[in-house]
Amino acid sequence: DIVMTQSPDSLAVSLGERATFNCKSSQSVLYSSNNKNYLAWYQQKPGQPPKLLIYWASIRESGVPDRFSGSGSGTDFTLTINSLQAEDVAVYYCQQYYTTPYTFGQGTKLEIK
Amino acid sequence: QVQLVQSGAEVKKPGASVEVSCKASGYTFASSGISWVRQAPGQGLEWMGWITPYNGNTHYDQKFQGRVTMTTDTSTSTAYMELRSLRSDDTAVYYCARSSLRFYSDSSGYYSFYWFFDYWGRGTLVTVSS
Repeated sequence: DIVMTQSPDSLAVSLGERATFNCKSSQSVLYSSNNKNYLAWYQQKPGQPPKLLIYWASIRESGVPDRFSGSGSGTDFTLTINSLQAEDVAVYYCQQYYTTPYTFGQGTKLEIK
Repeated sequence: QVQLVQSGAEVKKPGASVEVSCKASGYTFASSGISWVRQAPGQGLEWMGWITPYNGNTHYDQKFQGRVTMTTDTSTSTAYMELRSLRSDDTAVYYCARSSLRFYSDSSGYYSFYWFFDYWGRGTLVTVSS
């Protein structure tokens, strides 16, 4: 199985500042035939289901604010939130869909400093 | 708008079975895939398997092989997940989630999906307790 490891486990950032989340996969999720990284990011607020933010490592889902961005390739990925808003408090998960079983990171909890 | 409406909370005894339903609306049910993902209390997300409603193909995580069955009823646009031989560590919120980005696979001769999840149900809490 591909193990997804996120860091840090928790993060406290001031409003208006930048939040950076890291995700590392135990093997590459870059598919060479189409040059796509099979990596998605989700946001989960308390008592709610996850919400898709980013897929193909860097493509923002429709309706997601442009302060959210994804980057990285191969085994190392980053989710960045620019100009943090209060409503961004949540747990953030990465997920690989390169191969089954599709696996998620353990999550990074974002709080306001 | 796309909605996935799940059945209500369940309380089961160890060894019993549970079936969770997920009724889809707002899109063509057969043109998307459905996965089931669970989340134990205070824990992360765990993918269980997928089903493609248009042909009924399934793929389960080996961890659940023999205990889980995923089905769909295209006449009612509803997906079902049955989990048998329940244990206390099966206590979790069970989500259905949609995958809509698909491609045609020449090798299999079927449509397949990119298994990231653009819509989720609100979850069904299954509690296993004696």
